[in-house]
Amino acid sequence: EDKVVQSPLSLVVHEGDTVTLNCSYEVTNFRSLLWYKQEKKAPTFLFMLTSSGIEKKSGRLSSILDKKELFSILNITATQTGDSAIYLCVVRIGGGTSYGKLTFGQGTILTVHP
Amino acid sequence: DAMVIQNPRYQVTQFGKPVTLSCSQTLNHNVMYWYQQKSSQAPKLLFHYYDKDFNNEADTPDNFQSRRPNTSFCFLDIRSPGLGDAAMYLCATSRDGIETQYFGPGTRLLVL
Repeated sequence: EDKVVQSPLSLVVHEGDTVTLNCSYEVTNFRSLLWYKQEKKAPTFLFMLTSSGIEKKSGRLSSILDKKELFSILNITATQTGDSAIYLCVVRIGGGTSYGKLTFGQGTILTVHP
Repeated sequence: DAMVIQNPRYQVTQFGKPVTLSCSQTLNHNVMYWYQQKSSQAPKLLFHYYDKDFNNEADTPDNFQSRRPNTSFCFLDIRSPGLGDAAMYLCATSRDGIETQYFGPGTRLLVL
């Protein structure tokens, strides 16, 4: 059975802290790994990772994938209260031009206090 | 702006009364998905359309049906909503299932 496991499940930090969110996976026919941020609405896309060792960066957020060890991390530096959200790690599986089924992790609830 | 639109944003229905949720997209993506997300849980895929081909997840109850009359629109029909069907319903789209999925804002369903 395909599985995506995130840790920690929840995290409370203060503004300015740096956080690292972890995601490990065991799936058949891996295609890509995606990170989404979900506040009180639909998930919004952050990153898509397909190759090992290549860091993706967007402002204070960065992410990297290790396909040998089957994990990814999402880093957030200089956290702000607006970073408070659930962070979802999602693995896309499927072959060729298939529909790209997503397998979701449980999410990490990040709370940033002022 | 190209986007995924869901209507209504909030829907209240009665136990057993059929309800339809709608999703439209201007991204011209050929794949459309419906997810159910309950409180504090990750979204759960119900089914998806790859072009006109309907793909049901094995554990999706028969109570949930879907229609896709054209590329832009997809509907989720709940034939006899139960209290356990109260949830956020998310529509997402993707090009060929290869690129990332883009989510609509969701419809929050309340069953009384």
